[in-house]
Amino acid sequence: GEEVAQTPKHLVRGEGQKAKLYCAPIKGHSYVFWYQQVLKNEFKFLISFQNENVFDETGMPKERFSAKCLPNSPCSLEIQATKLEDSAVYFCASSQFTSAGGSPLHFGNGTRLTVT
Amino acid sequence: RKEVEQDPGPFNVPEGATVAFNCTYSNSASQSFFWYRQDCRKEPKLLMSVYSSGNEDGRFTAQLNRASQYISLLIRDSKLSDSATYLCVVNSQAGTALIFGKGTTLSVSS
Repeated sequence: GEEVAQTPKHLVRGEGQKAKLYCAPIKGHSYVFWYQQVLKNEFKFLISFQNENVFDETGMPKERFSAKCLPNSPCSLEIQATKLEDSAVYFCASSQFTSAGGSPLHFGNGTRLTVT
Repeated sequence: RKEVEQDPGPFNVPEGATVAFNCTYSNSASQSFFWYRQDCRKEPKLLMSVYSSGNEDGRFTAQLNRASQYISLLIRDSKLSDSATYLCVVNSQAGTALIFGKGTTLSVSS
């Protein structure tokens, strides 16, 4: 598609429940990025993919967070056993080339996760 | 030192004013620089890329100073619709991600 599509728009989970977020990048874009924004604070980089391969996962919490980009499927970000501090807006973005090559990111509308 | 630092503001200016935002970055090897704009509760949108020679897009001018590791954004003739948070963005040391500053908030009033 012409836009990065994120679903769901809103997600409410009780503490300890699993949360799964989805992202379909712009058609033809090889790179997918996930960011976390807590309460309008800075964007925390989580993970990036080049097609289905992990490109950079230095921002991913070691526990509870995982992500995949499989062929012919939306990318996903999964949080096991959610905690209150996971409440945030999770943005997915895609780009045609690498950021080092000057390619900007195109963002989806975000998924607002609320953990209660 | 944070990878990308910005003055959070807020900058409160009247319509028609000229306002400038600054940003510093820590990675001297960074090659890609951008300004994004984020409106309340929405996704960030690309405002402009920043090129070594400086570049202009209408009322917006971006400058890059590699020696000082400093990026600026100048907005001339501010409009009410310019009210937003402006995010300075630089590629990571590995070049595998874009790192965002915390943003500078601009409020333009009539």
